[in-house]
Amino acid sequence: NAGVTQTPKFQVLKTGQSMTLQCAQDMNHNSMYWYRQDPGMGLRLIYYSASEGTTDKGEVPNGYNVSRLNKREFSLRLESAAPSQTSVYFCASSPTRGYGLFFGSGTQLSVL
Amino acid sequence: QQQVKQSPQSLIVQKGGISIINCAYENTAFDYFPWYQQFPGKGPALLIAIRPDVSEKKEGRFTISFNKSAKQFSLHIMDSQPGDSATYFCAASGFQKLVFGTGTRLLVSP
Repeated sequence: NAGVTQTPKFQVLKTGQSMTLQCAQDMNHNSMYWYRQDPGMGLRLIYYSASEGTTDKGEVPNGYNVSRLNKREFSLRLESAAPSQTSVYFCASSPTRGYGLFFGSGTQLSVL
Repeated sequence: QQQVKQSPQSLIVQKGGISIINCAYENTAFDYFPWYQQFPGKGPALLIAIRPDVSEKKEGRFTISFNKSAKQFSLHIMDSQPGDSATYFCAASGFQKLVFGTGTRLLVSP
């Protein structure tokens, strides 16, 4: 039972570089989410996908794009990384939107 | 605006003591109030949750108290243990949205 799997666990980028964070869940959940966690800020929603084929912006979407590749996979892309995007990123999934979220173990991203 | 305010930001409790974390919400449409526990280097994990039709829910040493009229809810950890040292997040869900508090870092001293 893997649950929610995120890759990579750690990443260092230079300003302007691009990268994609991968997320996959094996619980047959409909909804998936990307959060960022910063000290004192709690968890802030970047993007979510209520169901396969749909994506919507969350609280802090600027500088990010997402793709719901299929029901299992939801990726987050940084097209041109900025130091302000240094954070810990969490992917989560839930059976229905907003209820019973299961989180992955996170990706620690540093942008220099 | 849909917000959840959490306090305190940090908390130190002696082993065996009671840890209390408070949250307040604004939107009366919220209908699900979970608490998440997060250990360093790990993702948040659902700890316990309550619906607004009950005033209290207990699971082992963890209890949620819910005051609908005051729009407040709290987490009580009885007989706190060093292994409970973690960051705790309250949240509120409604209109298909989940809003998190800013977190409380709990340290239980031996």
